[in-house]
Amino acid sequence: DAMVIQNPRYQVTQFGKPVTLSCSQTLNHNVMYWYQQKSSQAPKLLFHYYDKDFNNEADTPDNFQSRRPNTSFCFLDIRSPGLGDAAMYLCATSRDFYEQYFGPGTRLTVT
Amino acid sequence: GQQLNQSPQSMFIQEGEDVSMNCTSSSIFNTWLWYKQDPGEGPVLLIALYKAGELTSNGRLTAQFGITRKDSFLNISASIPSDVGIYFCAGLLGGSQGNLIFGKGTKLSVKP
Repeated sequence: DAMVIQNPRYQVTQFGKPVTLSCSQTLNHNVMYWYQQKSSQAPKLLFHYYDKDFNNEADTPDNFQSRRPNTSFCFLDIRSPGLGDAAMYLCATSRDFYEQYFGPGTRLTVT
Repeated sequence: GQQLNQSPQSMFIQEGEDVSMNCTSSSIFNTWLWYKQDPGEGPVLLIALYKAGELTSNGRLTAQFGITRKDSFLNISASIPSDVGIYFCAGLLGGSQGNLIFGKGTKLSVKP
């Protein structure tokens, strides 16, 4: 089945230690998104790639970066995680800007 | 910024009952999406709506794109225990480049 895959599902990192989360998709969608979701809240868009074009949301901290080496893969890098960055990180994909399909998420814990 | 008002915030219902939830906004949307999220998982797309007045079903779920393009509702008929979860509405504004505006979610609990 075509899908969005996120690895790892659970990630523990230390305060200030860089961490990378990964996302891959078999849907061949040209747009990939990263969201942050905190407990009891709706997902919040961090940035997206439209093909190779990177689009950052205005309020996304500089601490968050992303890479998309090819159509199928996208990475979220958190350069110096703080306690406030503990959250569920969701990857989503879409064909152009139509309906978005989410992966299962990576739960990040910062100790 | 843009906001979606989703209600109710939570529902406690008996198995077999029908459920209705809705989202309203002061803005006009081009697309309405309904998602279900289980604990510890990503949102799963239930229904996508693209035209004002459109009524779409997916099994026991039915959703409609309001005629004014400012609202949408989701109905679940004959609820079952696995319907438990958080339901989010999400809208796309014209020219928004994929920035989904989410409602705050409706938490559904079903008593067997």
